[in-house]
Amino acid sequence: DVKVTQSSRYLVKRTGEKVFLECVQDMDHENMFWYRQDPGLGLRLIYFSYDVKMKEKGDIPEGYSVSREKKERFSLILESASTNQTSMYLCASTPGLWNSPLHFGNGTRLTVT
Amino acid sequence: DQQVKQNSPSLSVQEGRISILNCDYTNSMFDYFLWYKKYPAEGPTFLISISSIKDKNEDGRFTVFLNKSAKHLSLHIVPSQPGDSAVYFCAASSNTNAGKSTFGDGTTLTVKP
Repeated sequence: DVKVTQSSRYLVKRTGEKVFLECVQDMDHENMFWYRQDPGLGLRLIYFSYDVKMKEKGDIPEGYSVSREKKERFSLILESASTNQTSMYLCASTPGLWNSPLHFGNGTRLTVT
Repeated sequence: DQQVKQNSPSLSVQEGRISILNCDYTNSMFDYFLWYKKYPAEGPTFLISISSIKDKNEDGRFTVFLNKSAKHLSLHIVPSQPGDSAVYFCAASSNTNAGKSTFGDGTTLTVKP
């Protein structure tokens, strides 16, 4: 079974702090993704990566950056956290096939105060 | 412009009856469709998928129907069980945008014993 592990289940940060969300997958998947889930808005794609050191913007990249230094690890960075970034953040991975389902982690609930 | 829509935020059915969850899309380039199920405090998990070359795919109690001319798909659960109570997300992808899925807002299904 594919395991996608997000380092924190719950985080509380202050406005203006730099925040790192970490994600690791153990199945040698090529593709990794960061989504955020908000009530009534579904899952929205923030950033994704098809390979090491490669990144592409999703639908809502503003205020975020990412890092993929190793194939198994994909980090989401909030450069200066704001209250509107309070959300559930979900990491996912797939192999390099276009019709492969996403394998999600259990999410990180981030609260910015 | 929301490309994948689930117009019913919630659905309640009696145990043993059929649950029908609906999803509409606008982008004719989508050629692969997936349903995910999400329990509280967990990440979404893949449930069932369908390629645009098919109009039906069945897996046990779950069947997905695709009507390409109407740009509509539905998930049927028969018979519904209390353990099916969860949020269901419809997602769509295109082979021209490998691995990048667009999600609907989700439908919360409650199956009453």
